[in-house]
Amino acid sequence: GAGVSQTPSNKVTEKGKYVELRCDPISGHTALYWYRQSLGQGPEFLIYFQGTGAADDSGLPNDRFFAVRPEGSVSTLKIQRTERGDSAVYLCASSSYVSRGHTQYFGPGTRLTVL
Amino acid sequence: KNEVEQSPQNLTAQEGEFITINCSYSVGISALHWLQQHPGGGIVSLFMLSSGKKKHGRLIATINIQEKHSSLHITASHPRDSAVYICAVSRTQGGSEKLVFGKGTKLTVNP
Repeated sequence: GAGVSQTPSNKVTEKGKYVELRCDPISGHTALYWYRQSLGQGPEFLIYFQGTGAADDSGLPNDRFFAVRPEGSVSTLKIQRTERGDSAVYLCASSSYVSRGHTQYFGPGTRLTVL
Repeated sequence: KNEVEQSPQNLTAQEGEFITINCSYSVGISALHWLQQHPGGGIVSLFMLSSGKKKHGRLIATINIQEKHSSLHITASHPRDSAVYICAVSRTQGGSEKLVFGKGTKLTVNP
């Protein structure tokens, strides 16, 4: 079946602009995660959804970042007033349930470049 | 200090060599994951383990819970194994579960 998909694959924007990054998880997966990976670093947790609700948003760096998952499937990560430091690969992952570290399936990521 | 430390950061090997990548962690975990990331960003889960040892083809992962240490071994390495290998631990906090990642080990296998 289809894996996790993310769109766009690349996004170039100017400082101060608003961007939306989309994640389509594997069908039926109730848990969805957003991570951010800067060059040369491992991914860092941003936010986790269980169903429609954000169960843990402790990784969001500040209030410019927001994510939604209104129907418990597709999720959108929204970044307002982008800054150059937001440039990174944004990764989405999904899993079938959260129990004892269930395997997460990753999307290909969206490479965001803020000029 | 990072919660998850990997070593080495970079590793270059000749085709056919036996490779070991190490991961140490400092927090309580529910599971440990080994992930593979190829250039371009795609991440693939190789192993998830909470005890003992797992094997898949030429890959072997072990974990020692008491010592908070895991190793990923690659036997008979091949140039197509070249990738970044990332160790991550699952932490359950307040009902949510998140992965905490190491910085990764960049492996280059030369023919």
